[in-house]
Amino acid sequence: EAQVTQNPRYLITVTGKKLTVTCSQNMNHEYMSWYRQDPGLGLRQIYYSMNVEVTDKGDVPEGYKVSRKEKRNFPLILESPSPNQTSLYFCASTSGRLAGNNEQFFGPGTRLTVL
Amino acid sequence: KQEVTQIPAALSVPEGENLVLNCSFTDSAIYNLQWFRQDPGKGLTSLLLIQSSQREQTSGRLNASLDKSSGRSTLYIAASQPGDSATYLCAVLMNRDDKIIFGKGTRLHILP
Repeated sequence: EAQVTQNPRYLITVTGKKLTVTCSQNMNHEYMSWYRQDPGLGLRQIYYSMNVEVTDKGDVPEGYKVSRKEKRNFPLILESPSPNQTSLYFCASTSGRLAGNNEQFFGPGTRLTVL
Repeated sequence: KQEVTQIPAALSVPEGENLVLNCSFTDSAIYNLQWFRQDPGKGLTSLLLIQSSQREQTSGRLNASLDKSSGRSTLYIAASQPGDSATYLCAVLMNRDDKIIFGKGTRLHILP
């Protein structure tokens, strides 16, 4: 089954404690991205990656890091989380602009609370 | 900078009505536009994707149109049902930098 998986689904942590949210897709997609969703602000793109070892900043990259060492995985790293990073995070993948049908597939979301 | 706006922010209609959701964007240099559905606390489910060269796409009771030159897309839902209640979001993929920009969504409530 084609899918995007994220782990963990729920996480409560404290300020400053490094964390990683994993994202994996099994569709051989080139393009992967991370979003955060906040009430009144909608979905905002944090980082995206058009292929292995290629990453770019989205609209709200501050406080986040990503890596793309393998095509299927795109982890989101918060080196020193702060309360304003409390949010609902989504990972998504798509075949990308260069490959025809570009339907985005979303993971189930990770609800992060930073105390 | 691309801005994507969805109007109205919320909508309640009786079951069985046909309805239209609107999405507008300020920069017409888009590669495609996609409509999603999101149920409370859940992820997004793709409904329809329209390439920039297309005018519309249809899936069942849903029809999405795109007028790139005027920066508008509409999602038409025919014969609405209570199960259609959800938030509907549109998103554009930019030609220039491959960023994806979302609207804030329209929260739809179908009254039984």
